[in-house]
Amino acid sequence: GQNIDQPTEMTATEGAIVQINCTYQTSGFNGLFWYQQHAGEAPTFLSYNVLDGLEEKGRFSSFLSRSKGYSYLLLKELQMKDSASYLCAVKDSNYQLIWGAGTKLIIKP
Amino acid sequence: GAVVSQHPSWVICKSGTSVKIECRSLDFQATTMFWYRQFPKQSLMLMATSNEGSKATYEQGVEKDKFLINHASLTLSTLTVTSAHPEDSSFYICSASIGGGGNQPQHFGDGTRLSIL
Repeated sequence: GQNIDQPTEMTATEGAIVQINCTYQTSGFNGLFWYQQHAGEAPTFLSYNVLDGLEEKGRFSSFLSRSKGYSYLLLKELQMKDSASYLCAVKDSNYQLIWGAGTKLIIKP
Repeated sequence: GAVVSQHPSWVICKSGTSVKIECRSLDFQATTMFWYRQFPKQSLMLMATSNEGSKATYEQGVEKDKFLINHASLTLSTLTVTSAHPEDSSFYICSASIGGGGNQPQHFGDGTRLSIL
């Protein structure tokens, strides 16, 4: 079966750095996406990785290792507005998007 | 760019009513649209994949006669919840992508919160 694992919940302090991990086992791989979802709202696209390495976008960076089936989302200089759920999703060999359950990130002052 | 509009954002209606939700891609043509359902504190659950001009592909366990999907144009897909009951109360979200290529993200509408009394 296809599976994506990410921690259920994480807590971090305002101004700090946090890393949210995602491991996946899918039938084929055509890219990995990270989305942010605030409570009661729809997800918004954050990043896309298809090759190994780090993609940086402002305060957010996403890393991929295809051989390890592993990705992480790194958030720097945390702000209170970063409190949200972060969803990891992988496109399989059929280009179907497989979703993780999401990691709820709580930012404390 | 890549804006998806979903309407209505909130619906409250009586049991037995049918409810139609619209999903529009405003600045791009969406060959594929997706319909999700999300219960409180749970993950997104894909209900169906909708391709313009063809029948939708429903996920296992989703009743196609209950959740009617129409994708008549490259910019509009509709989901009709027929004879809705309280257990259908949920957050329904549509998304659209420009083609099905690997690097194309899904862009989401703002969602529709459906409450059946």
